[in-house]
Amino acid sequence: ETGVTQSPTHLIKTRGQQVTLRCSSQSGHNTVSWYQQALGQGPQFIFQYYREEENGRGNFPPRFSGLQFPNYSSELNVNALELDDSALYLCASSPVVGANGYTFGSGTRLTVV
Amino acid sequence: DAKTTQPNSMESNEEEPVHLPCNHSTISGTDYIHWYRQLPSQGPEYVIHGLTSNVNNRMASLAIAEDRKSSTLILHRATLRDAAVYYCILFNSGAGSYQLTFGKGTKLSVIP
Repeated sequence: ETGVTQSPTHLIKTRGQQVTLRCSSQSGHNTVSWYQQALGQGPQFIFQYYREEENGRGNFPPRFSGLQFPNYSSELNVNALELDDSALYLCASSPVVGANGYTFGSGTRLTVV
Repeated sequence: DAKTTQPNSMESNEEEPVHLPCNHSTISGTDYIHWYRQLPSQGPEYVIHGLTSNVNNRMASLAIAEDRKSSTLILHRATLRDAAVYYCILFNSGAGSYQLTFGKGTKLSVIP
């Protein structure tokens, strides 16, 4: 399987709710990163997992959490949703820690109302 | 984080070469220069990367200044499908930071 697949493609949630976004990476891609992209801005790094352990985190609060599974899938969980969490959430994977480039998915568009 | 500076927008005629500049005056010796592009309604796409020497691949060429304080992404023949936002990013996994720090990039418009 090639490429990075994210689901769902679009999602609407209410403020205060919790959401789980999913990502399926290529076999052998041990590194997965998550990014948040607000409208008109470049993506911002949330965190990265390597072999199921978090090994890097951006400036995001603890209500943003993640999991990586042995089958190269991963999740981004966001608790207590706020209106400002409305954004495109991108998953990116790499066989190693990104030195040769990451493969990004097309993202999940989250709208919080 | 090391920073990059790019023009907000550029235009090119279809089938002509495009040179997208990037300044990174505070680059460190172990920073790699990465380029990604993002087409409308898609995630970023890796284009090319380099450290010191010029690099070529099937998508583009990367020309790196001798002092490494600037670089240029070269699209040899622009097509309509090259219309995208292009990001120049400094990446240094050895520094213990694994993030790609995206700026606002350069929005490339291709005129038929």
